[in-house]
Amino acid sequence: GENVEQHPSTLSVQEGDSAVIKCTYSDSASNYFPWYKQELGKGPQLIIDIRSNVGEKKDQRIAVTLNKTAKHFSLHITETQPEDSAVYFCAARRETSGSRLTFGEGTQLTVNP
Amino acid sequence: GAVVSQHPSRVICKSGTSVKIECRSLDFQATTMFWYRQFPKKSLMLMATSNEGSKATYEQGVEKDKFLINHASLTLSTLTVTSAHPEDSSFYICSADDAVSYEQYFGPGTRLTVT
Repeated sequence: GENVEQHPSTLSVQEGDSAVIKCTYSDSASNYFPWYKQELGKGPQLIIDIRSNVGEKKDQRIAVTLNKTAKHFSLHITETQPEDSAVYFCAARRETSGSRLTFGEGTQLTVNP
Repeated sequence: GAVVSQHPSRVICKSGTSVKIECRSLDFQATTMFWYRQFPKKSLMLMATSNEGSKATYEQGVEKDKFLINHASLTLSTLTVTSAHPEDSSFYICSADDAVSYEQYFGPGTRLTVT
């Protein structure tokens, strides 16, 4: 089955700096890679995703890159703000009906004002 | 993005009683819904996959007679924790697959405390 590893487990940055979180996956058949943000006591919120037919996707301050050959994908947050502080999870799945997401272990991002 | 609701958000029950948690997709149809359990500072642990109109598929180690799942329509799935014990106390989260985009959206979670 799929295995997703996520690094780092904790990340502390100063407001305005960039933050990068990296994930690797094992199943070459995985073709959908979402990123979720989870605030304390809440459910995960989908913030960006990428499919295997593209190498990069950007949405304002958030971008995701995918290297299919190396089975790596990364989340990039620029101009970080205190409200970006949360736990971020990467995930991978095959894009078929009913297929499960496999999650990384999460990264606690803290943005210091 | 699509919205998934969960009810209740918090529930406290006594040992031995049963608790039902509802999960609804509000603005899209969900052929498949998923139920997760999350322990403090941990990732999400998949409990079961719920398909509309058929029996749920449970992950290894999850007792199907204890965690009853019903997916009665394309917008509603329920999880019933039967004969609850203190060790069942946890944060339970559902998610729903958008049948068109295959994007998966999560509910806000239910905090269950068994006394």
